[in-house]
Amino acid sequence: DTGVSQNPRHKITKRGQNVTFRCDPISEHNRLYWYRQTLGQGPEFLTYFQNEAQLEKSRLLSDRFSAERPKGSFSTLEIQRTEQGDSAMYLCASSSKGLAGGPMKYEQYFGPGTRLTVT
Amino acid sequence: AQSVTQPDIHITVSEGASLELRCNYSYGATPYLFWYVQSPGQGLQLLLKYFSGDTLVQGIKGFEAEFKRSQSSFNLRKPSVHWSDAAEYFCAVGAQEYGNKLVFGAGTILRVKS
Repeated sequence: DTGVSQNPRHKITKRGQNVTFRCDPISEHNRLYWYRQTLGQGPEFLTYFQNEAQLEKSRLLSDRFSAERPKGSFSTLEIQRTEQGDSAMYLCASSSKGLAGGPMKYEQYFGPGTRLTVT
Repeated sequence: AQSVTQPDIHITVSEGASLELRCNYSYGATPYLFWYVQSPGQGLQLLLKYFSGDTLVQGIKGFEAEFKRSQSSFNLRKPSVHWSDAAEYFCAVGAQEYGNKLVFGAGTILRVKS
């Protein structure tokens, strides 16, 4: 079990540029989540995949944000036309489906995060 | 709407002293409750969880938490704090009727003085 990995760990970009982050979940987990964490706050839910299907999106996920999980394994989160307000830590988590979709699906394991700084 | 409140932004305790971090939640039904710890620049590590059953749950690193339905609380405790426990602690809630997301509190920063 190698845990959840995220790349890059840090990204500095200029306003208006596009950025893409990658998340590799724990191999046997079929659920994958993206959260955003700003300084002094707890993580906020962005979106969630079960296998390759994107099943839930937060209102925080504006049209400039898009997430994919094309083969049900790794996922990418792209931000187009970055703004300074996008500066944050982007966290990925994964979980297993559990029995009949019960509470185990909420036991999420987090990666180290990608820290984005938009200048 | 669901919410999680961690009333203490910072807490400082002496090494070897006991610790209690507070967490209150607002949910319509029985929630699933979690405590995570985050070291600077790192992701979140799951300390413990409550789904159902015994309201006192044990976690890793000597931590425990007690679910009190009447108080809508899930406070984290440790009998004797070590310097390595200095980190930020987050309480989180999940519930079937609110989809698959976790809702987090704002966190409590723990400082340990020697």
